[in-house]
Amino acid sequence: QVQLQESGPGLVRPSETLSLTCTVSGGAVNSGPYYWSWVRQPPGKGLEWIGYRYSSGNTNYYPSLRSRVAIFLDPSKDQFSLKLTSVTAADTAVYYCARGVLDCSGASCYEYFQYWGRGTQVTVSS
Amino acid sequence: QSVLTQPPSVSGAPGQRVTISCSGSSSNIGAGYEVHWYKHLPGTPPKLLIYGNDNRPSGVPVRFSGSKSGTSASLAITGVQVEDEADYYCQSYDTGLSGSWVFGGGTKLTVL
Repeated sequence: QVQLQESGPGLVRPSETLSLTCTVSGGAVNSGPYYWSWVRQPPGKGLEWIGYRYSSGNTNYYPSLRSRVAIFLDPSKDQFSLKLTSVTAADTAVYYCARGVLDCSGASCYEYFQYWGRGTQVTVSS
Repeated sequence: QSVLTQPPSVSGAPGQRVTISCSGSSSNIGAGYEVHWYKHLPGTPPKLLIYGNDNRPSGVPVRFSGSKSGTSASLAITGVQVEDEADYYCQSYDTGLSGSWVFGGGTKLTVL
C-alpha cells in the first residue's frame, strides 16, 4: 500500500519561499508511470492543482504559478518536494501531495490522482 | 473562477438519487479529455471515486457512477447514504495556456 506524508513549516513570511516535502512509502519516486504532484486548497475554496514532476523528470506546472514553483524528486530518500517563491497571503492553504498515475491497463489510457497525503496547513503571515 | 463549473451544493434524502454536474468547454471535456471524480472530507485525503469518465476503482460502492456527454460530465449516487455527505470534485485536463490539470470548484453534498 502506497502512503504519502507531507512535512514542512506551517508558517511562512510574505515574500519568502515555501518549502514542503512529501515522503513516499511503498513505492519509488523514480520508477513507474507516476506524476508526483502537489495540490492545494485555500480556505473556503476548492482544490487547485499546483504541478507535477513525472518519474522520468518531465515537469508541468499550473500556468498562474509557473514562474514561482518548482518540484524536485529525491530518489535516495523516496521523497519529492515543493518550492514556491515570493509567497503572499493568497498562498495560504492546505497543501496535499499526491501520486498521479498514467493508467493504461484498459482499452484507453487515463491520468488521475491515485494516492494522496493527509495534507498540511501552510499560513503566510508576518 | 474554476475552468470546470460545478454547483456549489446539492442535497437529497437517504435512498434518493443525486447527481452532480461538471460543465466544461471545448478546451477540456469537449476536446475529449476524460473526467475523474473525487470525494473529499475536510481533514482527510481526497479519495478517487470515478476515473476515465465512468470507471469505478475497486472498493468504491456500485451506487457511484459517472457519465460524460459533450462538454459536460456527471456523477450520480443512486441510493445516497448518510456517509456520502462530503465535498465532490471533478477533474480533467485543459489545453489552455500550454495545458494543465484542472479541478471543478467542488460541490457540497448534504444528506437530509
